[in-house]
Parts: sequence; structure tokens; C-alpha cells
Amino acid sequence: AQTVTQSQPEMSVQEAETVTLSCTYDTSESDYYLFWYKQPPSRQMILVIRQEAYKQQNATENRFSVNFQKAAKSFSLKISDSQLGDAAMYFCAYRSAGAGGTSYGKLTFGQGTILTVHP
Amino acid sequence: DAGVTQSPTHLIKTRGQHVTLRCSPISGHKSVSWYQQVLGQGPQFIFQYYEKEERGRGNFPDRFSARQFPNYSSELNVNALLLGDSALYLCASSLGLFATNEKLFFGSGTQLSVL
Repeated sequence: AQTVTQSQPEMSVQEAETVTLSCTYDTSESDYYLFWYKQPPSRQMILVIRQEAYKQQNATENRFSVNFQKAAKSFSLKISDSQLGDAAMYFCAYRSAGAGGTSYGKLTFGQGTILTVHP
Repeated sequence: DAGVTQSPTHLIKTRGQHVTLRCSPISGHKSVSWYQQVLGQGPQFIFQYYEKEERGRGNFPDRFSARQFPNYSSELNVNALLLGDSALYLCASSLGLFATNEKLFFGSGTQLSVL
């Protein structure tokens, strides 16, 4: 079974600064997807960024980028130019890309990191 | 366009009761997944339904069941409620099975409190 670990329960950053959230995972599969989701107080999970394991290039989405280290099974999220609206709970998640009975709707989430942004 | 809608938003039940949670996916989406998020933890996968068939089940007891209707809306049922069932229940929809490049869209959840 796959596991996802976020070792930072809480992080804080000053507005306009950069912060990095850590995530490690454990899997025996070679093909999978990794995600970062944001959960604001509204409780709705919002996709921040996605990485396909077969791609060596790190994914980027505007101010958000990842550092994907497949051999180390590490998947960190970097938020540049932090904004007050970035304050939320952030979850790292794993999804198998395999077939053969795998539920594609099954995401395995980490425990989450609460991000506080100070003005 | 409406996103994923869930009802009710909050619910209070007592131990031993039964509860039904409802989810309407985004128009055109045929897959619905259910997750349980206990306070302070990440969501845990309960079920995925696609075209009215169960396509995946997480490690939850048989007290949890679900179904999907012809209009692709879904219900999650929990019998014989326990205090530990208190959680935020999230519904997510996708166009298909959420394979390859598909995106998963989440609702805002139903907060269930079991007293």
C-alpha cells in the first residue's frame, strides 16, 4: 500500500516571501501521479499542481512549482511571492496510474500542512 | 456552471442512527468518489462510482455503502453510526474514471457530528 507523509504540521511565511512544503511517499509502483491540493476554510479541495512520475521535468503553475525527486520519493511544493490568499491547509496526494482493478478515483493523502501567511 | 454540490452542509446524529449524504457532480461528469476527512487528518478514500457501478472501495466497514443514480448523482449511506464516524465527508467528481489527464473536482463537504 502507498503512504504519503507530510512532516511539517505547520509552516509560516511572510507575504511576498518564498516557502517550501515537504512531502515524501512510499510506493513500489513506477508509474503514478502526485498532487498538491489546497484546502481553505471553505473546506473545498482545490488542485494546486500535478506531476506525472514519468516526467523528469518539474511541474510549474505560476507562483507554484515542485521539486520532484523520484529516486528519493520526495515531492516538495515551493510557493513564491506568497500572498495572503495562499493561507490554507495543503495536502500532498498520490494516485496510482496503473490499471488492473486500480480505482483511479483513489487519492492517498498526507496529513496536511497548515500554511500561515503574515502581512 | 455549478460545481460539485453536497447536501446537507452540516448534520448532527446520535450513535446507532443511520445517515444519508448526497452529492451532485458537475454536469456531464460520470464518476463520483467519496472521501472521509477526520479532523486534523487528510481525506481517506471510501468509494468510487462510475456509470452507476462501484469501481473502487477503500478500507471501510460494511456499514458504509453508496450508490449512483442514472443522473450520476450519488448517495453515501452510513448505518449504525459510531462516534468515530464524525468527520467531513467530501464528494469529488470527474468526467470519466479520473485516468490520465483528467481532473478531480471536490465539493465543500458535509460535516457530520455523531453524539
